[in-house]
Amino acid sequence: EAQVTQNPRYLITVTGKKLTVICSQNMNHEYMSWYRQDPGLGLRQIYYSMNVEVTDKGDVPEGYKVSRKEKRNFPLILESPSPNQTSLYFCASSVSQSTGELFFGEGSRLTVL
Amino acid sequence: GENVEQHPSTLSVQEGDSAVIKCTYSDSASNYFPWYKQELGKRPQLIIDIRSNVGEKKDQRIAVTLNKTAKHFSLHITETQPEDSAVYFCAASQGAQKLVFGQGTRLTINP
Repeated sequence: EAQVTQNPRYLITVTGKKLTVICSQNMNHEYMSWYRQDPGLGLRQIYYSMNVEVTDKGDVPEGYKVSRKEKRNFPLILESPSPNQTSLYFCASSVSQSTGELFFGEGSRLTVL
Repeated sequence: GENVEQHPSTLSVQEGDSAVIKCTYSDSASNYFPWYKQELGKRPQLIIDIRSNVGEKKDQRIAVTLNKTAKHFSLHITETQPEDSAVYFCAASQGAQKLVFGQGTRLTINP
């Protein structure tokens, strides 16, 4: 089944404890992206990647890191999480950066205490 | 960069009536305008999109219109049904690269 998988789906952590949210897609998509969803703010892009080893900042990159060493995986790294990073995170992929439809993962709800 | 404003933030309509959600964008270079539907607790899913070379697109009960001159686009849902209740997001970009989303509209269909 074609899908975007995120792990973990739910996480409660404490300020400063490094964490990684895994994103994997099995559709051979070139383009992958991370969004955070907050009430009243919609979906805001954190980072995106147009292909392996090619990443760039979105609109809200502060406090996050990403890597794209393999085509299928695009992990989101929070080196030192803070409470303002409490949010619902979505990974998404697309065939290419010029092709429209984004396929979203199921979301990862992160709480930073 | 691109900025997308979406209105209204909440919308309640009677089952069978029509619903209209409006968005404006700031970057005249944007050429791709998708709409995503997010049901409660689920992921966003594309329901319809339009590119800047057309003014209107329809898919059964859903239609999107685009006014490039005014830089606004709208989602129209006719004959609304309970399963249309969800949060709807508009977005704008040049391709999928830096898709900028609106703030979302929570649509409630009242039986």
